[in-house]
Amino acid sequence: AQSVTQLGSHVSVSEGALVLLRCNYSSSVPPYLFWYVQYPNQGLQLLLKYTSAATLVKGINGFEAEFKKSETSFHLTKPSAHMSDAAEYFCALDRGSTLGRLYFGRGTQLTVWP
Amino acid sequence: DAGVIQSPRHEVTEMGQEVTLRCKPISGHNSLFWYRQTMMRGLELLIYFNNNVPIDDSGMPEDRFSAKMPNASFSTLKIQPSEPRDSAVYFCASTPAGTGNEQFFGPGTRLTVL
Repeated sequence: AQSVTQLGSHVSVSEGALVLLRCNYSSSVPPYLFWYVQYPNQGLQLLLKYTSAATLVKGINGFEAEFKKSETSFHLTKPSAHMSDAAEYFCALDRGSTLGRLYFGRGTQLTVWP
Repeated sequence: DAGVIQSPRHEVTEMGQEVTLRCKPISGHNSLFWYRQTMMRGLELLIYFNNNVPIDDSGMPEDRFSAKMPNASFSTLKIQPSEPRDSAVYFCASTPAGTGNEQFFGPGTRLTVL
């Protein structure tokens, strides 16, 4: 069963527009959730993570995500897109494993138009 | 800290040759993960280790793939014999023990099998 679903494999926005990348999860235990970013020809880097301390999580580069248990969602947003935000974004789920295994979504490629 | 180190960064080989990818995790991290990333299949978990012991290798595509972790600071992923369909970017990631911890990714090895 799919643990993490990212809706939309490609999202395009204009520079200055709102960025919204969607992530829904499935977990039978309280989840830990992550957003990673991958710039071209680089590895994945942590953008932000939810560990139950606060439902609204702020990350680097102006991104934030809100954990909504009732909707099993953890959508990523940024009020105003910048050209440098063009990258692939991955949502990931920790099901409470003490071994650190994460379940990744398929990724969403964000394109930012000038 | 130097982060997760992978070598080589690029590898071009001919079909049938043996390929060995190397990874040095972050010191003190207990778990190590090998991923493969392709356009068609996205990011796939191949195998992961905890305290140098393989925990789950169900993602290894075929017997041609093998991975070892002889000590806490070194792991290898070997493909023998290599095939063109093995062309991909291979990532290594490590994480400390416990839940809710992020995985730290290396820069990846871009493998091209001709």
